[in-house]
Amino acid sequence: DTEVTQTPKHLVMGMTNKKSLKCEQHMGHRAMYWYKQKAKKPPELMFVYSYEKLSINESVPSRFSPECPNSSLLNLHLHALQPEDSALYLCASSQEGSSYEQYFGPGTRLTVT
Amino acid sequence: GQQVMQIPQYQHVQEGEDFTTYCNSSTTLSNIQWYKQRPGGHPVFLIQLVKSGEVKKQKRLTFQFGEAKKNSSLHITATQTTDVGTYFCAGPGNTDKLIFGTGTRLQVFP
Repeated sequence: DTEVTQTPKHLVMGMTNKKSLKCEQHMGHRAMYWYKQKAKKPPELMFVYSYEKLSINESVPSRFSPECPNSSLLNLHLHALQPEDSALYLCASSQEGSSYEQYFGPGTRLTVT
Repeated sequence: GQQVMQIPQYQHVQEGEDFTTYCNSSTTLSNIQWYKQRPGGHPVFLIQLVKSGEVKKQKRLTFQFGEAKKNSSLHITATQTTDVGTYFCAGPGNTDKLIFGTGTRLQVFP
């Protein structure tokens, strides 16, 4: 099974809302990632979890809060977002670190109103 | 900081024509990975090259890793409409992160 799943597929939220994005993989991968992608741009790394510990935080604003409950799950908690945070949020996993190919989920299309 | 650039940014081709995208890194890479993202889709891993000068083929796609391990190319022979999408190269950064190239968007006209 080489699938990474993400929910929800689409999300519209107001600037005062709190919501969570969820990601799951069952490939036994030890590294999981959150990316943000704007239209016509490459994915932009936000967070890396390695062996369930946060190993990279790309200076992302605190209104984004990642969580890794176990080796298969990755969440991204959203609070008080801004309209410029509207984007496609992609989860990915890899066997270990960046030398290994990454498998991406279908993404959550987020719109902040 | 480390940068990975791709050219061209955008290319239109007629179906049946060939297509090439070039990837250049500001630093030496331990490996280069290629991904394809269809319109409205997510990046999908295509291939990884590790050795200096390595060439790999997947049907109509030919991937090459430069001798200095700072550049790479993807060549598609006889494009088809199914080849439409954005092609990204990516290489491991100094920390445990993958640095994505700027991408080349391919449009194929029937």
